[in-house]
Amino acid sequence: SQTIHQWPATLVQPVGSPLSLECTVEGTSNPNLYWYRQAAGRGLQLLFYSIGIDQISSEVPQNLSASRPQDRQFILSSKKLLLSDSGFYLCAWSRGHSAGSPLHFGNGTRLTVT
Amino acid sequence: AQTVTQSQPEMSVQEAETVTLSCTYDTSESDYYLFWYKQPPSRQMILVIRQEAYKQQNATENRFSVNFQKAAKSFSLKISDSQLGDAAMYFCAYVGAQGGSEKLVFGKGTKLTVNP
Repeated sequence: SQTIHQWPATLVQPVGSPLSLECTVEGTSNPNLYWYRQAAGRGLQLLFYSIGIDQISSEVPQNLSASRPQDRQFILSSKKLLLSDSGFYLCAWSRGHSAGSPLHFGNGTRLTVT
Repeated sequence: AQTVTQSQPEMSVQEAETVTLSCTYDTSESDYYLFWYKQPPSRQMILVIRQEAYKQQNATENRFSVNFQKAAKSFSLKISDSQLGDAAMYFCAYVGAQGGSEKLVFGKGTKLTVNP
């Protein structure tokens, strides 16, 4: 069966520090991968999605970047965190080239920028 | 652009009773998929139910069922025999059938409280 791992679970970082959140998927090949952010009391905002290695699309211009160095690895990064980057970050995967395939989410990372 | 609206920020239900959560969406596409996700206090997003727009039959999963009204662009979730473990945020989501990236559009969620 497929599993998705996301870490760390919680993170407290000072303003201006770098960020690296990692997500890996097991048990499937060529998945679509996603990074979402959920601000307090709000819905999910799609940040990045990827349909293949080094194929990444950004949905919202911002202080963050994403990379996919391997088929089942997705990394969310920042060179310098802002206070506004605080939130709950969710990684997700879905079957590639499969219309209507549901997203399967990781457990999320709670990021607090101080 | 497609939008998903959940007009009920909060709902409550007595244990063992039935509750219906509302969702409407706006799209010009004829073929698409709709989902309900549950986010308990643990914050993990869990798929509850999936509906294919070309199917008239409403999807069901145990105590969870939907009322899909394509013409009205409505997709409500009914939870029967509510249990304490059903307490969570519920998100409605939409994705078009074209393309391959499966970029879901989410509503802002409904917080469901289950009273014992």
